[in-house]
Amino acid sequence: GAVVSQHPSWVICKSGTSVKIECRSLDFQATTMFWYRQFPKQSLMLMATSNEGSKATYEQGVEKDKFLINHASLTLSTLTVTSAHPEDSSFYICSATNPGGPVYEQYFGPGTRLTVT
Amino acid sequence: AQSVTQPDIHITVSEGASLELRCNYSYGATPYLFWYVQSPGQGLQLLLKYFSGDTLVQGIKGFEAEFKRSQSSFNLRKPSVHWSDAAEYFCAVAGGGADGLTFGKGTHLIIQP
Repeated sequence: GAVVSQHPSWVICKSGTSVKIECRSLDFQATTMFWYRQFPKQSLMLMATSNEGSKATYEQGVEKDKFLINHASLTLSTLTVTSAHPEDSSFYICSATNPGGPVYEQYFGPGTRLTVT
Repeated sequence: AQSVTQPDIHITVSEGASLELRCNYSYGATPYLFWYVQSPGQGLQLLLKYFSGDTLVQGIKGFEAEFKRSQSSFNLRKPSVHWSDAAEYFCAVAGGGADGLTFGKGTHLIIQP
């Protein structure tokens, strides 16, 4: 149980275009989802917290107009990278908390590799 | 602001030997502490967590960790490693149970035969 999926697992896009990444909780309802970014061989950095039905809360230094987050349902959050540039190339990972599961646990998706050419 | 330090970027251990991965945190109050493992092509998997109670916590795959408030540490241990333990290990902290995580830079564990 408590599986989180991401789609796509990898994507290549051209500079200036936008790309959408989906994060789904498959067997539970997630009121809160988180988006992280991981650079090669580096740590994960929290980008934003997404709560169903409300605006996302962005961490300091994260451009909210560039990284659009929508949490339209209890099982789906999306991250749209707008007007992508090569420096946006990274590994994007989402996680979700399960209100009905063990306390204080986040379940992570497998990640999405974005390459901007 | 909270932070996590994992001082060892790489650690090499012989199969069957014991393991200790270090983690130090900075946070004003009692933090919520976690250890995750990341294997290539797989999502992060929670090994164990601490938020209150017994300071020695047991996790999955034979791992344990000890919270030491006086040293601001939460080191991960395993008495005997297996080749399948080779992976990236991340220590993380949260200010609250529903907060996003602050991760350390990770420790890459190499198991030699």
